[in-house]
Amino acid sequence: DAKTTQPTSMDCAEGRAANLPCNHSTISGNEYVYWYRQIHSQGPQYIIHGLKNNETNEMASLIITEDRKSSTLILPHATLRDTAVYYCIVMIRGEKLTFGTGTRLTIIP
Amino acid sequence: GAVVSQHPSRVICKSGTSVKIECRSLDFQATTMFWYRQFPKQSLMLMATSNEGSKATYEQGVEKDKFLINHASLTLSTLTVTSAHPEDSSFYICSARGAGLAGNTGELFFGEGSRLTVL
Repeated sequence: DAKTTQPTSMDCAEGRAANLPCNHSTISGNEYVYWYRQIHSQGPQYIIHGLKNNETNEMASLIITEDRKSSTLILPHATLRDTAVYYCIVMIRGEKLTFGTGTRLTIIP
Repeated sequence: GAVVSQHPSRVICKSGTSVKIECRSLDFQATTMFWYRQFPKQSLMLMATSNEGSKATYEQGVEKDKFLINHASLTLSTLTVTSAHPEDSSFYICSARGAGLAGNTGELFFGEGSRLTVL
């Protein structure tokens, strides 16, 4: 039972902002939105997470809509090393992480 | 960030043998560790959750007698694939959640993965 819906794949030009959408219309009040990415043949890497407010760190920004039914991960200046599968996951903090199919982001030179 | 290390990164074994994969948290105490399996072009599938000092909790459809998980200390968990067969060939990934991490916000830290090939 998928809690999130993401596009299967996206392309983005190098140097441009990559905006990855995620729908989570059934999110409950105590569930956070987490983003991870997986570069080919590596373990997943934590990117960012949020509950209600928009968040920013050194890797990305997370924009969560006011109704919390969707969010967007923004990589402000995409590089070739950002090519990866990006997973949007909703979960209660401290619980197990269940991965969906994610978005395969390809950065084009 | 916190570091989780897996060993070996690659292993090739003959059908019928057992293989052990280690997962270590290098700079924090991992109260909970998770083991995932990933087949080519598929997403990660959670196999089991282990808490230090207690028996692992396996996901539905995962054979506990085939995939033995031990979490004997706060920094080490092991996954043993017993009597491995070619269909067990996969990318096995561990992750850990720690206690007492500065700024711990609930995220998991993942190992680099171990690629198992059973001939």
